[in-house]
Amino acid sequence: AQSVTQLDSQVPVFEEAPVELRCNYSSSVSVYLFWYVQYPNQGLQLLLKYLSGSTLVKGINGFEAEFNKSQTSFHLRKPSVHISDTAEYFCAGGGAGNMLTFGGGTRLMVKP
Amino acid sequence: DTGVSQNPRHKITKRGQNVTFRCDPISEHNRLYWYRQTLGQGPEFLTYFQNEAQLEKSRLLSDRFSAERPKGSFSTLEIQRTEQGDSAMYLCANSPSANYGYTFGSGTRLTVV
Repeated sequence: AQSVTQLDSQVPVFEEAPVELRCNYSSSVSVYLFWYVQYPNQGLQLLLKYLSGSTLVKGINGFEAEFNKSQTSFHLRKPSVHISDTAEYFCAGGGAGNMLTFGGGTRLMVKP
Repeated sequence: DTGVSQNPRHKITKRGQNVTFRCDPISEHNRLYWYRQTLGQGPEFLTYFQNEAQLEKSRLLSDRFSAERPKGSFSTLEIQRTEQGDSAMYLCANSPSANYGYTFGSGTRLTVV
């Protein structure tokens, strides 16, 4: 069964500092992975996705993620965060089934 | 504007009442999903439609829950005899294929008092 684990429930960081949000997945079939962002009282917005090919994926708002098959990880990174990046971030994975499985989320708190 | 519209945005209901939510997806995307999200958690899959056919249902979807997608367009999710544990954000998502990624609506927040 597909499972997605986000290792940190909260990540506090100062503005303009780099950040990494961690995600590990498990799957026995071909995999595709996503990162979504959720602002308060809103639905989820797609940041980036990995289907195949280059393991470094670039997304919107300056975010990028690296697919690491040997470590079954798909960590999200940004070299310099802004206050506006404060939100909940969800990693999600899909395999042979029709639906995505989401991690529990990581709350990114950017402090001035 | 995400392209997926959900109504209502908020619903407060008394325990034991029935509620119905509506999702209007992107018309050309034939896959439609319902997820439930409780505070501090990630979305949990409830059910999936391909066009008008309901192809998968989670065990989370008890017999008090029913979903429909007549004519493969909009979808409704009904909860009968609501319980306090049903309080959550109900999210609708839409996709043209399994690996495309979802477009989510803004959700309907249900509070059962």
